Order: sequence, then structure tokens, then C-alpha cells
Amino acid sequence: AQSVAQPEDQVNVAEGNPLTVKCTYSVSGNPYLFWYVQYPNRGLQFLLKYITGDNLVKGSYGFEAEFNKSQTSFHLKKPSALVSDSALYFCAVSHHGSSNTGKLIFGQGTTLQVKP
Amino acid sequence: GAVVSQHPSRVICKSGTSVKIECRSLDFQATTMFWYRQFPKKSLMLMATSNEGSKATYEQGVEKDKFLINHASLTLSTLTVTSAHPEDSSFYICSARDGAGHYNEQFFGPGTRLTVL
Repeated sequence: AQSVAQPEDQVNVAEGNPLTVKCTYSVSGNPYLFWYVQYPNRGLQFLLKYITGDNLVKGSYGFEAEFNKSQTSFHLKKPSALVSDSALYFCAVSHHGSSNTGKLIFGQGTTLQVKP
Repeated sequence: GAVVSQHPSRVICKSGTSVKIECRSLDFQATTMFWYRQFPKKSLMLMATSNEGSKATYEQGVEKDKFLINHASLTLSTLTVTSAHPEDSSFYICSARDGAGHYNEQFFGPGTRLTVL
């Protein structure tokens, strides 16, 4: 069965410091991996995705993520956090192949708190 | 591009009434739309997958007679919460996948906050 784990409910970081939000996944075959961000009372905004190719993916707002197949991880990173980055972050995985249903499986979400 | 809208953004209703939520893809054709429910500070729970012109596929534990889904066109899907009760109060989010279905990427609507009194 496919699953996504975000082991941290909350990540606290000081403004200007680097941030990492962790994500590990379990899926048969090759995964499509996504990161989304959600601000209060809003829908999800797409940040970045990994499909194939370079393991380091760059996305919106200065975020990037590194696909690590051996560790089945897809951690979200940013070199210098901003207070405005404070939000709820979701990692998601999708399976592609003959049984592709188009569904995304979401992690439980990690709240990022960036303090001035 | 790839904008998804939801209407209404917020609705308050009395227990026992039905509420319809619309999800529209504004600049692309969505052969598949998804409906999610989200509780406070919790992840999204997929309720159903809506395919244009066919019956929706509901996830286990979701009552299809209570949460009616209609995907009548390539740009519109509706979720009707029938005979709503306070426990149905939640944040409902839809997403759409474009007709090309590239990489299963989904585009999300802004959500609808339902409060049942």
C-alpha cells in the first residue's frame, strides 16, 4: 500500500536560518512526489514536484526538495526561511503505471513556524 | 493557468438541510476531479474521485447517498451534502486534474467552510 509520512507535526526555525521539512514515502514502482503549502482557510498551493531526472528539484518561493531513492525520502528545504513561510506543508505521492488512478496520497502535514 | 474555483467559500446552514458546493476548472478541462475533507490542522481525507460523465468513485467509509457528487461537464463538479448534521461541519476542498493528466498533478480550489448548526 502507498503511504507518506511526515514525522514532524511542527518545525520551528528562526528567520534567516535554513529549514527542512521531512517526508518519507512508500510506494511500489516509481513515484511521483509533490509538495504543497496551505495557508489558513485556504486551499493547497503547489510548490514543486519530482517526476524523473535530477534528484534536486527547485520550486516556488525559493523552496527545493531532494529525492533520495535509497532512503525513500523527499525532504523539503529552503536556505533562508522567511516569516511569511509559516504555513502547513503537505508531502504527497502518486503512483504511475498500469494501475494509475490519479490519486494523491498525502502525509499528515507539518506546521512550519518561522519566528522573527 | 490551472485555476480552480469553489463556490461558496463559506456556508452556514441548519441541520437537516442540503448544501451544494461547486468546483470549477477555469482555464482547463478537468476529466477528473477529487473531493477532500479536512479537519482542523489535519491532513486531507479523500472522499471521492469524480470522473466526467460517469459515477463517482467513493473512498471506503464515505456515504455516497449523503455526499452526492455530479461531474456533468469537463469544467464543473458539484458536491451536495444531503441532510447535513453538525458532524458534517468541515473544510471541503476540491482539486482537478487536467485532461492530459500529466504526472497526476492536481490543482486545488480555495476550499469551502461548511458550518452546520
